Formats: sequence, C-alpha cells, structure tokens
Amino acid sequence: EVQLVESGGGLVKPGGSLRLSCAASGFTFNSYNMIWVRQAPGKGLEWVSSISSSSSYIYYADSMKGRFTISRDNAKNSLYLQMNSLRAEDTAVYYCARGAVAGGGYFDYWGQGTLVTVSS
Amino acid sequence: DIQMTQSPSTLSASVGDRVTITCRASQSISSWLAWYQQKPGKAPKLLIYKASSLESGVPSRFSGSGSGTEFTLTISSLQPDDFATYYCQHYNIYPYTFGQGTKLEIK
Repeated sequence: EVQLVESGGGLVKPGGSLRLSCAASGFTFNSYNMIWVRQAPGKGLEWVSSISSSSSYIYYADSMKGRFTISRDNAKNSLYLQMNSLRAEDTAVYYCARGAVAGGGYFDYWGQGTLVTVSS
Repeated sequence: DIQMTQSPSTLSASVGDRVTITCRASQSISSWLAWYQQKPGKAPKLLIYKASSLESGVPSRFSGSGSGTEFTLTISSLQPDDFATYYCQHYNIYPYTFGQGTKLEIK
C-alpha cells in the first residue's frame, strides 16, 4: 500500500525557517517524481515544487523561488521541503504527492498534509 | 503561466442528478489535464488524468472530456459520497496550476 506521511509542520514566526519531511513507503520511491502542494486555510490547491526521481530536475512556483528548496533522499525514501524567509501568506497545509508513473504530471497519491502556521 | 478557470464556483444539486463542471485554460494544454476530488479535512483524490482517462478504482459515473482549452468533468448520477470540492490541474508545462475549485453542494 502506498503511504506518504508528512511531518515537520508547526508554528513559526515571520522570517523564520522550517523543514518539512515526507516519508514514503509501499512503492519504489526512486522511480517516481515527487511534489509538494499547499492549501491555505479555506482556499484552493497551489502547486509548490516538483523534483524528478534522481533529483536532476527541480521546479518551483515563482512565489517560492529563492526561499524554498525541495530535495529527496532515495536511500531513506524521503522527500523534504526547506522553507526559509517564511511569510504569513505561506500559512497552509502542505501535502506531498507522488507524480504518476511514466512522467505523468498529475499526482496519484497524496499524504494527509502537515500544517504550517506563520505568525508572530 | 497558464491560468485555469473553473465554473461554476458552487453548484447545488440533488442525488441522482447529472452534473457538469467546466475548466478552461488560458492557452492550449492539449489533453494534459487532471481532475481531483477533495473532501473537508482530507487530501485530494485523483479522479481523471489526460483529460478523459479514469483513474483505477474511481466509479464509472465520473467522466472527463475536452482538449485544448476547454474541459469538462461530468458525474452521471450524483451519489451522496460525491458532495465535495473538485479541482482541475494542468500539467502541460511548469508551473503547474490548479483551478480555483468547484464546491458541489446538496440542494
């Protein structure tokens, strides 16, 4: 069974940093692209970042470029999101998701999400 | 960036109704479109990919169509479990973007 479990969320002050983790199991992690998607309270879904299976290709939404860093450790079956210079508008539930097989840009499995709250 | 616009934003319907949600892209995305269902407090669930391909395990009352810039998600006969928010997402080119969502409510 595919499982994605996020952790690392919490309350952080504006300008602070946080590192999110996503532990994957039930599939061959190093064969899949992985993604972070976020959802602000009461709002819609927003794609954050994607990383290819071997970390060769990395993409970010414009509003996250320069502040967020996606990475993965295939030996540990883990995905990460380092978030720096956090702003109030980064407050959201952050989901990790698996990119569909064969390079599909859609997301076939999602974690339960971890809440990040940026507030003084 | 490609903008995705869904309509309507809210839809009221009854069990057994046939409903259609529309998603429009600001430029052609061929068939690189997915649909997701999300219930309150839960992660999104993939329903449709490549505009019209049904994800494994998704009931056949869900169907998708369209190409280019206009797409639809149709639920042929609404069931109680279908009342949720639906999102389209393009994956033609980065950055990927989602529609703003359509909330399907019980009439």
